[in-house]
Amino acid sequence: DAGVIQSPRHEVTEMGQEVTLRCKPISGHDYLFWYRQTMMRGLELLIYFNNNVPIDDSGMPEDRFSAKMPNASFSTLKIQPSEPRDSAVYFCASSFDGYTEAFFGQGTRLTVV
Amino acid sequence: SQKIEQNSEALNIQEGKTATLTCNYTNYSPAYLQWYRQDPGRGPVFLLLIRENEKEKRKERLKVTFDTTLKQSLFHITASQPADSATYLCALPDQTGANNLFFGTGTRLTVIP
Repeated sequence: DAGVIQSPRHEVTEMGQEVTLRCKPISGHDYLFWYRQTMMRGLELLIYFNNNVPIDDSGMPEDRFSAKMPNASFSTLKIQPSEPRDSAVYFCASSFDGYTEAFFGQGTRLTVV
Repeated sequence: SQKIEQNSEALNIQEGKTATLTCNYTNYSPAYLQWYRQDPGRGPVFLLLIRENEKEKRKERLKVTFDTTLKQSLFHITASQPADSATYLCALPDQTGANNLFFGTGTRLTVIP
């Protein structure tokens, strides 16, 4: 398996635009997590899915953020409208059972200007 | 809510010495604790998991201890090498027992040749 695949690697967008980040988890993993990493706040859990169902989205900062997992091999994190304070590295991770190791993607570096 | 503290933002040590990183947590008793390594521009990579009933775990030059009384985990790298330079993160599951991971802010280790 190629590991967790995220796209794009880098995204620069203007304030107010919609941004969509994509993730392909490792095949066979039932859990998918979205994290955001900044210097100030470190790695923050935004939302996680189990078998494509959102379980806990309490980390999603506000209604501008939404996440979907239409099938076991694809998830999106959308920000609409984007703001400069959303600038961060967004990571997707997957895990076999939620109790063992999480495998992270390479991340998407988002810059909102 | 749980609080995870990694005491040092940065740690510099001489090559060949043992590096010791600390992770403290409050407010609950996690069933396990994980350590990850993160290199610049990359996602975290899993290193070790230790369960609450295990006092110590080893993997090659790595050793992790878990003191549930002190609410502390120590992460040791023996015979450190410049290639060990990275940021090391500890992670704990949610205090409700849910299948998600919360991360400390990390310790940036630099091994000086």
